[in-house]
Amino acid sequence: GEDVEQSLFLSVREGDSSVINCTYTDSSSTYLYWYKQEPGAGLQLLTYIFSNMDMKQDQRLTVLLNKKDKHLSLRIADTQTGDSAIYFCAESPNSGNTPLVFGKGTRLSVIA
Amino acid sequence: DADVTQTPRNRITKTGKRIMLECSQTKGHDRMYWYRQDPGLGLRLIYYSFDVKDINKGEISDGYSVSRQAQAKFSLSLESAIPNQTALYFCATSDLEGNTGELFFGEGSRLTVL
Repeated sequence: GEDVEQSLFLSVREGDSSVINCTYTDSSSTYLYWYKQEPGAGLQLLTYIFSNMDMKQDQRLTVLLNKKDKHLSLRIADTQTGDSAIYFCAESPNSGNTPLVFGKGTRLSVIA
Repeated sequence: DADVTQTPRNRITKTGKRIMLECSQTKGHDRMYWYRQDPGLGLRLIYYSFDVKDINKGEISDGYSVSRQAQAKFSLSLESAIPNQTALYFCATSDLEGNTGELFFGEGSRLTVL
């Protein structure tokens, strides 16, 4: 079945870059997503990338997609304390015809 | 007002009790979902519904049931709650047509079963 893997913890210093990595299994995923969950809140879409793209940049966020290796990464430049949260990678299996499959989430801690 | 509203936000109950978590949405989306979040296990899908007449089991449906009362309402029931159903439950919606398949989440319902 589909599976999305990501490391559980990442700790960085304020001002440094954070890189969160993810591997997925379904090569038919049309979109791949990064969701952010702040303490006590639900998940919100942070960014997404269409499967025919290699890279997407949005202000401090850069998403890299390697379809051959089924590897997705999220880079946060100039990480701030407000970026402390859990980040979930998700794939859209079967070309989006079945629900999203989420990874276990990476808890990012930003040290001031 | 939130587009996806879950009630109750917090609930403490005892083993064996019947519990219902409710979800309503104002986004006009056809697709609705119930996920469960546990520390270190991420989000796991319990049930989903692609329209009012459609109900599908997810990865961990045992011990749960759902009802899609209307396009805007999707409720999750625990017929006889047990302690390992203590978790944070999320309702989510998505749009059938076009766009990116993004899920829109409620704020979550924290359930504690003693």
